[in-house]
Amino acid sequence: GDSVTQMEGPVTLSEEAFLTINCTYTATGYPSLFWYVQYPGEGLQLLLKATKADDKGSNKGFEATYRKETTSFHLEKGSVQVSDSAVYFCALSPFGNQFYFGTGTSLTVIP
Amino acid sequence: EAQVTQNPRYLITVTGKKLTVTCSQNMNHEYMSWYRQDPGLGLRQIYYSMNVEVTDKGDVPEGYKVSRKEKRNFPLILESPSPNQTSLYFCASSPNFLGGPTDTQYFGPGTRLTVL
Repeated sequence: GDSVTQMEGPVTLSEEAFLTINCTYTATGYPSLFWYVQYPGEGLQLLLKATKADDKGSNKGFEATYRKETTSFHLEKGSVQVSDSAVYFCALSPFGNQFYFGTGTSLTVIP
Repeated sequence: EAQVTQNPRYLITVTGKKLTVTCSQNMNHEYMSWYRQDPGLGLRQIYYSMNVEVTDKGDVPEGYKVSRKEKRNFPLILESPSPNQTSLYFCASSPNFLGGPTDTQYFGPGTRLTVL
């Protein structure tokens, strides 16, 4: 069945470090791919998305590229800030009705 | 303000006592969904609704019921809660249309449920 596997956490980085959170997926066809972020005590918010192969989603300095050949959608940011500390979820939706989320990766950025 | 609201935010109950968690959105969205979040398991979809009177099972529907009588509301019903339903629950909505490009989901603030 459809599923998402994302990098285990927690991840701790110093401010201005480079961030990569790996995400790979299993799905039939061409699902849409998402990264959501959850700040402490809040619901999830969409960070970025890509709906077809080779699309690059970007927002707030974060980027992810939909790689069909490696079934991956890795999240990257060149220089993290303390305010980026949160839990990050990779997700996919094959047809726009059912959604499959990864287990989440906790990021802590220290000054 | 465009938002998804859930009530209650916190609930402690006992096994077998029926409960309802309400979810309401003011964005005129077609699509609504319920998820549960558990440590080490991420979010898992319980039920979703593509439109009024149309509901479908997600990955983990056992022990839950939903209804969609109005576009804005999508309550989650636990007829006979059990301790394994202790979890953090999120409602979400989206303007998503079946067959169209998958759209952004907007999440509520969550309901923390404890079943003793």
